[in-house]
Amino acid sequence: QAVLTQPSSLSASPGASASLTCTLRSGINVATYTIYWYQQKPGSPPQYLLRYKSDSDKQQGSGVPSRFSGSKDASANAGILLISGLQSADEADYYCLIWHNSAVIFGGGTKLTVL
Amino acid sequence: EVQLVQSGAEVKKSGESLKISCKGSGYGFGNYWIGWVRQMPGKGLEWMGIVNPGNSEIKYSPSFQGQATISADKSISTAYLQWSSLKASDTAMYYCARVIGYFQHTSVGFDFWGQGTLVTVSS
Repeated sequence: QAVLTQPSSLSASPGASASLTCTLRSGINVATYTIYWYQQKPGSPPQYLLRYKSDSDKQQGSGVPSRFSGSKDASANAGILLISGLQSADEADYYCLIWHNSAVIFGGGTKLTVL
Repeated sequence: EVQLVQSGAEVKKSGESLKISCKGSGYGFGNYWIGWVRQMPGKGLEWMGIVNPGNSEIKYSPSFQGQATISADKSISTAYLQWSSLKASDTAMYYCARVIGYFQHTSVGFDFWGQGTLVTVSS
């Protein structure tokens, strides 16, 4: 079982909100991790969106709109990237990341379609 | 302004050697680890390893240990990724990225990324 699991795809309508999940493997407690989120558009490098550990320990990437926010769902053992007021420009691949057992772990990525 | 500028695209043959670079500017290069990330065509991001330019300490992903070599030269603010004998399966985009956070707090990640270096290896 992968350390981080992301749904492979998600579709949402312009103006709506999209909730992208990053589920940690059983036995790895999401509460103890800082989760990083990245957006990658075709032909471009990943862009740092934000990091989230708790409401008191979080950081927005430089120039990243507040429409992008992070949270956690402890019951699902998952990190969440919430994108509100979806725009066509938000269509991209989104990756989560944690530092676990002295290694960088990436989720497999979610392709967000805005239609 | 923090910038990571990578060397240009490379086309090589199997068995050849290669060294690509990542030059940092706009911050204290020796104060932040630099990571390397592979992205094969149409695939996700894979962590290869990180290097501390301040003391040349390196941490490799178990998946990439022995497959490529990471290094850095603080005096010229540049990190490197090199192969001694390329394989067709090394064909990918390679990104460098600056590490932020604290290892002991499980808060490590990347903020600034280079533009990527496309490596194409033909058999």
